[in-house]
Amino acid sequence: QVQLVQSGAEVMKPGSSVKVSCKTSGGSFSRDAVSWVRQAPGQGLEWMGGIIPSFGTASYSKTFQARVTIVADESTGTVHMELSGLKSEDTAVYYCARSRGYYSPYDYWGQGTLVAVTS
Amino acid sequence: EVVMTQSPATLSVSPGERVALSCRASQNVGSNLAWYQQKPGQAPSLLIYAASSRATGIPARFSGSGSGTEFTLTISSLQSEDFGVYYCQQYNNWWTFGQGTKVEIK
Repeated sequence: QVQLVQSGAEVMKPGSSVKVSCKTSGGSFSRDAVSWVRQAPGQGLEWMGGIIPSFGTASYSKTFQARVTIVADESTGTVHMELSGLKSEDTAVYYCARSRGYYSPYDYWGQGTLVAVTS
Repeated sequence: EVVMTQSPATLSVSPGERVALSCRASQNVGSNLAWYQQKPGQAPSLLIYAASSRATGIPARFSGSGSGTEFTLTISSLQSEDFGVYYCQQYNNWWTFGQGTKVEIK
């Protein structure tokens, strides 16, 4: 059974950085792709970027590429997402999601992590 | 970037009615199209992949059709548990989502 378990909610100051983790189990960590998807309050889903751990290099949406870093730790089966230069508009729920490589849909999702950016 | 456009934004439906949700891609995505359902406070869940294949455990009242740039999700007879927001997603060129269609009780 594939599971994605995310780290807990964060309250951050504007201008700071936040790191959210997604621990995976039950799948093929090296070959699966793990993506990060953002959902602002009352809004839709927005792909931020993704990584296949065995490839090493992440791919990013143009919207986020200047501020987001996604890395995979194969020793723990965990994917980390760091978003820098936080603004109030970054207040959102951040989900990790698994697909069987690129060119596949997301068949498993994490529970979501609320990041609130407030002064 | 592939832009996905869904219509309508909101659909008011009575239980038992047939529902059709539309999704258009800004460029050809072949059959690399998925549909997700999201309920309040929950992560989205996969309904349809490859434009017309139901995910595991999805009832037969859900069906998908289309290819290229035009896609449709049909719910043959809406049940109470089907209310929520539906998103289409292309995965032909990275991943992008439509803005969602909210299906609400009439």
